[in-house]
Amino acid sequence: DAGVIQSPRHEVTEMGQEVTLRCKPISGHDYLFWYRQTMMRGLELLIYFNNNVPIDDSGMPEDRFSAKMPNASFSTLKIQPSEPRDSAVYFCASSFDWGTEAFFGQGTRLTVV
Amino acid sequence: AQSVTQLGSHVSVSEGALVLLRCNYSSSVPPYLFWYVQYPNQGLQLLLKYTSAATLVKGINGFEAEFKKSETSFHLTKPSAHMSDAAEYFCAVRHSTGGGNKLTFGTGTQLKVEL
Repeated sequence: DAGVIQSPRHEVTEMGQEVTLRCKPISGHDYLFWYRQTMMRGLELLIYFNNNVPIDDSGMPEDRFSAKMPNASFSTLKIQPSEPRDSAVYFCASSFDWGTEAFFGQGTRLTVV
Repeated sequence: AQSVTQLGSHVSVSEGALVLLRCNYSSSVPPYLFWYVQYPNQGLQLLLKYTSAATLVKGINGFEAEFKKSETSFHLTKPSAHMSDAAEYFCAVRHSTGGGNKLTFGTGTQLKVEL
């Protein structure tokens, strides 16, 4: 397996634009996590899915953020409209089961200007 | 609620010296604990994990960690630091919430290795 695949690796967009980040988890993994990493706040869990169902979205900053997982092999994190303070590295991770480690993608570095 | 606290946001050691990165956890149930490493511009990579088996856990790159329930600690150690160990290290706890489970990370410790 190629691991968790995220796209794009880098995204630069203007304030107010819609941004969509994509993630392909490792095949067979039941859990998918979206994290945001910034210098100020470190690694924050935004939302996670179990078997494609969102379980906990309490970390999603506000209504401008939304995440979907239409099937077991694909998830998106959307920001609409984007703001400069959304600039961060966004990581997707997946894991097989409770108690097993999460495997991380390379991240998407988002810059909103 | 379960959480982890990493003491020291920056640690500096000399090459060949002992590495000790501290992590304390808070959990009302036996936790599953992890250490991850992040190299610049990379994702996180698992170093080792504790899942209630042996209390001394050996990981990759010569790292190990010991689970001490009495101290609620899971410190990461390596006997001899190498320049390639310079990175950021994260302690994490896996815990249940609302019928599911999630992985919560500490704030990270930046390890610097000097000649």
